[in-house]
Amino acid sequence: EAGVAQSPRYKIIEKRQSVAFWCNPISGHATLYWYQQILGQGPKLLIQFQNNGVVDDSQLPKDRFSAERLKGVDSTLKIQPAKLEDSAVYLCASSFTKFSGANVLTFGAGSRLTVL
Amino acid sequence: TQLLEQSPQFLSIQEGENLTVYCNSSSVFSSLQWYRQEPGEGPVLLVTVVTGGEVKKLKRLTFQFGDARKDSSLHITAAQTGDTGLYLCAGGMDSNYQLIWGAGTKLIIKP
Repeated sequence: EAGVAQSPRYKIIEKRQSVAFWCNPISGHATLYWYQQILGQGPKLLIQFQNNGVVDDSQLPKDRFSAERLKGVDSTLKIQPAKLEDSAVYLCASSFTKFSGANVLTFGAGSRLTVL
Repeated sequence: TQLLEQSPQFLSIQEGENLTVYCNSSSVFSSLQWYRQEPGEGPVLLVTVVTGGEVKKLKRLTFQFGDARKDSSLHITAAQTGDTGLYLCAGGMDSNYQLIWGAGTKLIIKP
């Protein structure tokens, strides 16, 4: 089975510019996650979708970050305007169900963002 | 606030040695997952433990879930250079749709 696809793999921008990341989850996975991973830290959940609805976006900085999952398949995460502290790897993951107890998340390789 | 603390944060040992890394919390979890993340890649699930006291083995890796389901350990026997990576634990709760992540243990195995 194909894995979780993400693009671009690397992006360098200047502060105050905008950037968008794309994710295509595993076919049939209803739940899609965007995580932010700063170097040396564990992943931090930004937003979780169940099909095309938002389940949790409590840690998404909504003044600058937005995400959508139209048609309940692929998703985009946008940052506008970017700040220096947004430099991180943005990981997309998907899972078959939304319940966390024994959920198995499959991650993409990530998109590394550097903000200068 | 639920937290998962991983220790040590960093470990560098010689090939062939044994090691144990820990994942501790004051909260009770319904399940605990261990992932390994290699540079430039996303985390990959190694194991899920769901029963207090449960022990699972994956070749040279032994995972244990604490009796009270608040902590977990990962023991590697005769470490190999291929074991190098960031080991992350994540706790899940049945009442919640979110995984709580630790900060990880960065493991380097030297040849």
